[in-house]
Amino acid sequence: SQQGEEDPQALSIQEGENATMNCSYKTSINNLQWYRQNSGRGLVHLILIRSNEREKHSGRLRVTLDTSKKSSSLLITASRAADTASYFCATVLTSGTYKYIFGTGTRLKVLA
Amino acid sequence: DAGVIQSPRHEVTEMGQEVTLRCKPISGHNSLFWYRQTMMRGLELLIYFNNNVPIDDSGMPEDRFSAKMPNASFSTLKIQPSEPRDSAVYFCASTLRGGAYNEQFFGPGTRLTVL
Repeated sequence: SQQGEEDPQALSIQEGENATMNCSYKTSINNLQWYRQNSGRGLVHLILIRSNEREKHSGRLRVTLDTSKKSSSLLITASRAADTASYFCATVLTSGTYKYIFGTGTRLKVLA
Repeated sequence: DAGVIQSPRHEVTEMGQEVTLRCKPISGHNSLFWYRQTMMRGLELLIYFNNNVPIDDSGMPEDRFSAKMPNASFSTLKIQPSEPRDSAVYFCASTLRGGAYNEQFFGPGTRLTVL
């Protein structure tokens, strides 16, 4: 089964609203990363949070990490139509081989 | 920099044919990853290389799949013989160095259709 599971699978909001998506994972991690994928394109890295960090900000993005619950959330504030994309969390395991395990993704649609 | 380059962008082939996908990582990057993305299975890691050496190929589905990295600037993913269930988008990604704290840079992908 997937290491990372995003929730919800799909989200539709109005421009200007905040979008929150969640990621749960199963095993211990070294760090967790969020990526965005526009339709028909490759993934683009957004932000990385280390296992000893609890919160991180980058522009309109806010990421939290709760290692006790094995979960992370990505908040996009003041959403724009250009934020419409799929968002994936990727966990980097502590196994030593540094595999990146991607979750199932959240499809975000921001309506203008 | 041109970013990660993949070719071809689209490939349509018939079942049983050999397919070769190509990737040129970002210059100076030491790690290279091959992924497969489908609606049913999401984004799956197939194999990754560090300094041209395969480190983990546990995601390669079966012996029909093989990957090589003969030098730091080129990698191939070969499927022989191809089957309809191999239809997917195949992504190549690279990172600056091995280790955990690296962002991956993805190529545009190759959309493979096996008839």
